Amino acid sequence: LAKTTQPISMDSYEGQEVNITCSHNNIATNDYITWYQQFPSQGPRFIIQGYKTKVTNEVASLFIPADRKSSTLSLPRVSLSDTAVYYCLVFNTNAGKSTFGDGTTLTVKP
Amino acid sequence: SQTIHQWPATLVQPVGSPLSLECTVEGTSNPNLYWYRQAAGRGLQLLFYSVGIGQISSEVPQNLSASRPQDRQFILSSKKLLLSDSGFYLCAWRAENEQFFGPGTRLTVL
Repeated sequence: LAKTTQPISMDSYEGQEVNITCSHNNIATNDYITWYQQFPSQGPRFIIQGYKTKVTNEVASLFIPADRKSSTLSLPRVSLSDTAVYYCLVFNTNAGKSTFGDGTTLTVKP
Repeated sequence: SQTIHQWPATLVQPVGSPLSLECTVEGTSNPNLYWYRQAAGRGLQLLFYSVGIGQISSEVPQNLSASRPQDRQFILSSKKLLLSDSGFYLCAWRAENEQFFGPGTRLTVL
């Protein structure tokens, strides 16, 4: 399974755009890139998933370059409630499983 | 819609005591099921996954075992708990390329 590397922590202010980058150098052909959000004492919640180029939904955008060795989660106009740990992981469709890294703790300040 | 249940929500057990954590899924059939453990401030570690009744794959050698007696039931067990077994235990099921997580069980071994 591909290993992911993210920054340990990030700070931001309300209303700003936040970009969290993840590297996954040994990503495989059958791997999908997925981002989750986790609040304390809760299970992770799915945010967005992509294979290549750009994916956008109602809460975030995911940018994946052509080589797919990294990805960037973009959160537009964050609020205090976006303070959480964000996990980037690579989901292997053949194995049906994925590996979580230690995540990025995002702190949004007023 | 699909729902995943875990119980108990919290548990405090003495060292050497047995453990049984239960996970059930509603609204789907023949799901892939997963057990993860999360230590404080860390990412999720995949412990076991199952692709069907009686089929269990172990990811990490440890003091724990898993069973799947029914299609939508996944049980995590231990005969004798260790201090290092403390953590946040999460059950998940897979739909295509996405995993959905349960609410988790906070286990403290004293």
